[in-house]
Amino acid sequence: DIQMTQSPSSLSASVGDRVTITCRASQAVNSYLNWYQQKPGKAPKLLISSASSLQSGVPSRFSGGGSGTEFTLTISSLQPEDFATYYCQQIYSTPLTFGTGTRVDIK
Amino acid sequence: EVQLVESGGGLVQPGGSLRLSCAASGFTVSSDSMSWYRQAPGKGLEWVSMFYSETTGGSQYYADSVKGRFTISRDKSRNTLFLQMHSLRSEDTAVYYCATRKGDYWGQGTLVTVSS
Repeated sequence: DIQMTQSPSSLSASVGDRVTITCRASQAVNSYLNWYQQKPGKAPKLLISSASSLQSGVPSRFSGGGSGTEFTLTISSLQPEDFATYYCQQIYSTPLTFGTGTRVDIK
Repeated sequence: EVQLVESGGGLVQPGGSLRLSCAASGFTVSSDSMSWYRQAPGKGLEWVSMFYSETTGGSQYYADSVKGRFTISRDKSRNTLFLQMHSLRSEDTAVYYCATRKGDYWGQGTLVTVSS
């Protein structure tokens, strides 16, 4: 099974801050890497697919990078609606696996 | 517009069974690989099972935690994905979601509570 290690597990930031979340896969997943945002009581929302492809309707302040085993999600200027939990997921092979999540709180 | 709507959750005793449904609209369930996921209260996301599309072989895969107890299926005439769950345990308590392979569409989730 491919293990996904996501860091940090939580962070506190202010509106306007630049935030970067890292996800490391235990083996190469090429670019089969998704990033999701989840708010309490809601289903996950796909932000980034194929490691760096911004989904339609997702603000351009979100960006994804990396390939192989190292990936990043960056929010260039944090907005109030961005406070949520973020997950990475590899869809390279079953079992599909997620990172443990990063909770982004208001400082 | 693509929409996924789960149903069938509820309270069940340990050892019991439940069948979840995921009704799709806006696309054909057999034309895309689809997964079930779950999220236990206060926990992260966990993949449960996948049904590959017809064009990619139509195989089914399961997480080790549910293998032998859960069965994924689909009904093309009803355009619906199912998850039959047997021998339920307290650790199966979670919100269950269906989603497309790419992860771009998810249902709203249905809560399964396993408790006596």
